Amino acid sequence: GQNIDQPTEMTATEGAIVQINCTYQTSGFNGLFWYQQHAGEAPTFLSYNVLDGLEEKGRFSSFLSRSKGYSYLLLKELQMKDSASYLCAVRDLVGGFKTIFGAGTRLFVKA
Amino acid sequence: DGGITQSPKYLFRKEGQNVTLSCEQNLNHDAMYWYRQDPGQGLRLIYYSQIVNDFQKGDIAEGYSVSREKKESFPLTVTSAQKNPTAFYLCASSLPTGNQPQHFGDGTRLSIL
Repeated sequence: GQNIDQPTEMTATEGAIVQINCTYQTSGFNGLFWYQQHAGEAPTFLSYNVLDGLEEKGRFSSFLSRSKGYSYLLLKELQMKDSASYLCAVRDLVGGFKTIFGAGTRLFVKA
Repeated sequence: DGGITQSPKYLFRKEGQNVTLSCEQNLNHDAMYWYRQDPGQGLRLIYYSQIVNDFQKGDIAEGYSVSREKKESFPLTVTSAQKNPTAFYLCASSLPTGNQPQHFGDGTRLSIL
């Protein structure tokens, strides 16, 4: 079956670093996406991983280990505006290239 | 600017009524999707379309219907058969290749009167 697990909530301090983990189980893995979603708004794309390793994009980095079914999103130099939900999503070849979304991790950044 | 537009932003449905949510994109994307988001849950796929005049059921299609007569448009009808329609509905589009992210509209929040 298909399953994605992420922590429900996390809290971190402005200026710090936070790591949001995601574990997944799929039959035909074809890439992993991270999206940011502010409350009541549309999700916006942050990163994409299909090969093992780290992808860095400014303050945001994403890591993937396909053998472990594991990814993390690393946010550096946290800002108050980073308070949002972070959605882990996996593209699955089985069933026609559908993208399966996790429930999201709500990140609270405090001063 | 290219983008994806959903309307209305808020919608109220009476018992036994069908309502239609609009989704239009000018990104020239072939693929379009409808998701439902409930509090504390991930996005659940209702319907998707990879090309004009073709669409497939997602994981929770019961009580919903769609059409894809134009590349730019993918309207979703919430029928009276959907007994628990209160949710945040998101439309998305993407290019068909695997590494392309989905671009989302701002969503429609549907409530029951």
